[in-house]
Amino acid sequence: GAGVSQSPSNKVTEKGKDVELRCDPISGHTALYWYRQRLGQGLEFLIYFQGNSAPDKSGLPSDRFSAERTGESVSTLTIQRTQQEDSAVYLCASSFHGASNTEAFFGQGTRLTVV
Amino acid sequence: AQTVTQSQPEMSVQEAETVTLSCTYDTSESDYYLFWYKQPPSRQMILVIRQEAYKQQNATENRFSVNFQKAAKSFSLKISDSQLGDAAMYFCAYRGYSGGGADGLTFGKGTHLIIQP
Repeated sequence: GAGVSQSPSNKVTEKGKDVELRCDPISGHTALYWYRQRLGQGLEFLIYFQGNSAPDKSGLPSDRFSAERTGESVSTLTIQRTQQEDSAVYLCASSFHGASNTEAFFGQGTRLTVV
Repeated sequence: AQTVTQSQPEMSVQEAETVTLSCTYDTSESDYYLFWYKQPPSRQMILVIRQEAYKQQNATENRFSVNFQKAAKSFSLKISDSQLGDAAMYFCAYRGYSGGGADGLTFGKGTHLIIQP
């Protein structure tokens, strides 16, 4: 696609339910990142995928969070047993080869509200 | 771990004037990259400008320029001739030379820029 696409744009869920967020990166981009942005805060790194290498999960805040990506395609971020503290905008970004100076292109994010 | 600090939660400037947003960072690395991203209400993060730490010359992109002071670990953004469309959250970001993962972009908390007509 022309840009990074995320769905859904907004999601309201009840506390305790599981949610799945989707990210379609730019075609050909091998690197994919997930970030969390709480209200009024900067972006908090969650997880990084680079090609077929093992993902860097060092930013995931708890074992309720997991993410998958098959090859260089779509990624899904799953939050199990959601808590109110999980309410945030979840942003996905992709870049070419993951090189340091390569621009990361962001999607518009999924706003998750846990009630 | 690298940290990025933006000490101005909010800035306001008159249209057509110049404004400077400040950013400082902490790192033990000698090679790295610095970025300014703009986030309008649409939530879309847009790259404004980037700076490679090994370059002494300050980056410039049209009305946007940076003042990169490596020794002071300072990376401010200057917006000249401010326009209404510049109103947004601005995030300063650091990226280690080795690239992604935990060295992926580390962001400051952002500065909300208001443009007064």
